[in-house]
Amino acid sequence: AQTVTQSQPEMSVQEAETVTLSCTYDTSESDYYLFWYKQPPSRQMILVIRQEAYKQQNATENRFSVNFQKAAKSFSLKISDSQLGDAAMYFCAGPHMDSNYQLIWGAGTKLIIKP
Amino acid sequence: DTAVSQTPKYLVTQMGNDKSIKCEQNLGHDTMYWYKQDSKKFLKIMFSYNNKELIINETVPNRFSPKSPDKAHLNLHINSLELGDSAVYFCASSRRTGGPTPLHFGNGTRLTVT
Repeated sequence: AQTVTQSQPEMSVQEAETVTLSCTYDTSESDYYLFWYKQPPSRQMILVIRQEAYKQQNATENRFSVNFQKAAKSFSLKISDSQLGDAAMYFCAGPHMDSNYQLIWGAGTKLIIKP
Repeated sequence: DTAVSQTPKYLVTQMGNDKSIKCEQNLGHDTMYWYKQDSKKFLKIMFSYNNKELIINETVPNRFSPKSPDKAHLNLHINSLELGDSAVYFCASSRRTGGPTPLHFGNGTRLTVT
């Protein structure tokens, strides 16, 4: 069965430190997209970063970067210089085998920032 | 400028009632979605429309009926509400033609059935 697995239900990090959230997925496709979304307490779903599978270079958006390991089907999110505003649920989303219109979502990781 | 807007933001109603949630996007996207997020934060797709055509219809009770009058709107009507329908419902949109874009979400509607 297709799955996206976020093995860390909760993570905590000291403010200004670096934290990595893990995500693994399963697909037989060779070309696809992967996403990380953030959901703060306001409940808004905010796109953090996107990775295109055919690009070998890891995506980066300011303090957010990914470690994309295609062969291992791993897509982890690294947050550098963590800030209090980074506290949120983080969701990883990956390709659905049967539908280009559908994503498979991980269960989420709650990130706590310690001041 | 709100990209994906859904109303209402909060909806409190009694069991057995019928309610609707409206969604509009001004991004020019061709695909719209309804997601349900339960109390454990798990996101589950319910429906998706591409150019007003239903393309995803997951296993949801037929009390839930989506309606897409045009590409920019996707409304969700729920009949005979039950306690288990309490959740946050998200509308989202994306573009499929010319290469998929990320999902853009509305701010969610928290539905509470009492």
